[in-house]
Amino acid sequence: QVQVVQSGAEVKTPGASVKVSCKASGYTFTNYYMHWVRQAPGQGLAWMGIINPSGGSATYAQKFQGRVTMTRDTSTSTVYMELSSLTSEDTAVYYCARDGCSSTICQGGGNYFGYWGQGTLVTVSS
Amino acid sequence: DIQMTQSPSSLSASVGDRVTITCRASQGISNYLAWFQQKPGKAPKSLIYAASSLQSGVPSKFSGSGSGTDFTLTISSLQPEDFATYYCQQYYSYPLTFGGGTKVEIK
Repeated sequence: QVQVVQSGAEVKTPGASVKVSCKASGYTFTNYYMHWVRQAPGQGLAWMGIINPSGGSATYAQKFQGRVTMTRDTSTSTVYMELSSLTSEDTAVYYCARDGCSSTICQGGGNYFGYWGQGTLVTVSS
Repeated sequence: DIQMTQSPSSLSASVGDRVTITCRASQGISNYLAWFQQKPGKAPKSLIYAASSLQSGVPSKFSGSGSGTDFTLTISSLQPEDFATYYCQQYYSYPLTFGGGTKVEIK
């Protein structure tokens, strides 16, 4: 069965970077794009970007452009999201979510979500 | 960016009730609309894509409709496990954007 498992909670100081991992299993890793979405405490959801696990190309939301980097390791079926220059505003739960449509059918991805990771709490505090 | 507005922001309902949640896009998005459910402290669960297509394994008590700018999610007979927050999301264009959520509470 499809599983998307994220790394554990992180505590970071302002100005630091954080790297969250998302390990996929139960399907062909390179056939589905992966998204990153964050949810700040008591706030709404914000889409951060999408990565193509096949070629490694990524598209980022303008809000995070310049601070976020999404990468993948096909040997371990894992995608990573690194966010730099952290501030308290970045305290949130970060989710990876597998795209809902195989790239063999939906060129560029379907851009809706299928399976979600369990979330990773990132706390930024001095 | 496309703004997504959900209404109501919260509602109280009883087990067995039929519940309808609406979502409005700030511009036409065809049927590029998804719905998902989130329970406290849990990851979201995807319910519907393409405005009305059920994700695999989602019970048929959930249904979606709409096109263009106005969409609805209906739960035909509310059960205890359905009390949660529901979100809509457009995928017509980047950045993908979400509604503010509708919290469904027990009356």
